[in-house]
Amino acid sequence: EAGVTQFPSHSVIEKGQTVTLRCDPISGHDNLYWYRRVMGKEIKFLLHFVKESKQDESGMPNNRFLAERTGGTYSTLKVQPAELEDSGVYFCASSPRQGLYEKLFFGSGTQLSVL
Amino acid sequence: TQLLEQSPQFLSIQEGENLTVYCNSSSVFSSLQWYRQEPGEGPVLLVTVVTGGEVKKLKRLTFQFGDARKDSSLHITAAQPGDTGLYLCAGAKNFNKFYFGSGTKLNVKP
Repeated sequence: EAGVTQFPSHSVIEKGQTVTLRCDPISGHDNLYWYRRVMGKEIKFLLHFVKESKQDESGMPNNRFLAERTGGTYSTLKVQPAELEDSGVYFCASSPRQGLYEKLFFGSGTQLSVL
Repeated sequence: TQLLEQSPQFLSIQEGENLTVYCNSSSVFSSLQWYRQEPGEGPVLLVTVVTGGEVKKLKRLTFQFGDARKDSSLHITAAQPGDTGLYLCAGAKNFNKFYFGSGTKLNVKP
C-alpha cells in the first residue's frame, strides 16, 4: 500500500512568487491534514479536510494560503504571494476515520525556501 | 506560546543506557501520541494513549499518560543505536487537532 505522497520534496522560490504543494493521501483515507514546521519551531496544524470539505482551517496563517481538495482525493496548498516567513517544511497527513484513536500517516514533507 | 513542552531538547547517550523524555502541558488532552521522525521523513506514529494513568509498552519503549491527561513520558530501556531520531509528542484537542511538542533529538552512540 502506497503511503502519503508529497510533491515536490523541495521548492526554492523568490519572495512574491507563487508555489503550489501537492499531497496524495493514502487511498480511502477521508481525513487529510496540512501541518508545517518553521525553523526552530514545533510542527503546527494548518487545516483539516474531511473528504472535500474543510473541517477546520483555524491554523491557516493568512489569506495568502489556499488549500483545496477537489473530489476528496489529492489536496493542494497554494501560497500566493510567498513571503520569507513562509519558509519551512510542510507536512501532509491522512487518516482513515475520526475519533479518539486517530492514526495519522505523514508524508515526507515539502521543504519550502523563500528567498 | 507552545502548548506542549518537551524535555530534554537533546539527549546523547551510550548504547545500553536508559532514558526518559517528558512532555508537559497545563492543558488537558483527549489523547496523546508519540511519534518518531528520521531525517528527511515525516513523523511515524509509535503509540496513542487516551486514558489518564495509562501505560503502554512497545518492546523497550514505555509510554505513560499522566493521571490528569496533561503530561506524558516516554522511557526507553537499554537504548540501541537504532533508537536514534527525533521523538515528538502530540496532544489532541477536539479529537482531530493535534498540538506538537518541539521534539527531543536522541542520539544513541554505539
